[in-house]
Amino acid sequence: SQTIHQWPATLVQPVGSPLSLECTVEGTSNPNLYWYRQAAGRGLQLLFYSIGIDQISSEVPQNLSASRPQDRQFILSSKKLLLSDSGFYLCAWSVQSANYGYTFGSGTRLTVV
Amino acid sequence: QKEVEQNSGPLSVPEGAIASLNCTYSDRGSQSFFWYRQYSGKSPELIMSIYSNGDKEDGRFTAQLNKASQYVSLLIRDSQPSDSATYLCAVSRWNFNKFYFGSGTKLNVKP
Repeated sequence: SQTIHQWPATLVQPVGSPLSLECTVEGTSNPNLYWYRQAAGRGLQLLFYSIGIDQISSEVPQNLSASRPQDRQFILSSKKLLLSDSGFYLCAWSVQSANYGYTFGSGTRLTVV
Repeated sequence: QKEVEQNSGPLSVPEGAIASLNCTYSDRGSQSFFWYRQYSGKSPELIMSIYSNGDKEDGRFTAQLNKASQYVSLLIRDSQPSDSATYLCAVSRWNFNKFYFGSGTKLNVKP
């Protein structure tokens, strides 16, 4: 069966510090991978999605970036965090074309102080 | 206009009642429809998917789709306090690689 791992679960970082969140999927190959952010009490905002290695689409302009160094690994990064980057970060995967839904990881709660 | 609209709630229902959650969407080309449940502080989990007009039942959950009117709904029968969560509607075109999510409806089931 497929599983998705996301870490860390919680993170407190100072403004201006770098960020690296990692997500890996097991039990499947060539998945679509996604990064979402959910601000407190708000809906899901799609940040990046990837349909293959080195194929990453950015949905919103911001100081975040994403990379997919391996087929089942997706990394979200920032060089300098802003207070507005605080939120609940969710990684998700789907089969190609996403016709059958996403499966989300357990999420990382990031607080920028 | 947002791609997917949901009433934010909260929707309060007594235990044992039917909870009805609604969602409208703007893209007439949408063909995949999903309901996710999200408990406070947790990640969303997929509970229902529907692709054709009509009803789809799974246990206490029924998803209803009306493409002509561009709405999808979720009925929860015999609501339990454990159903208290935020319910997210998601919509996509076929083979489109990404969804549009609504902002969610918060459901409170009172014992």
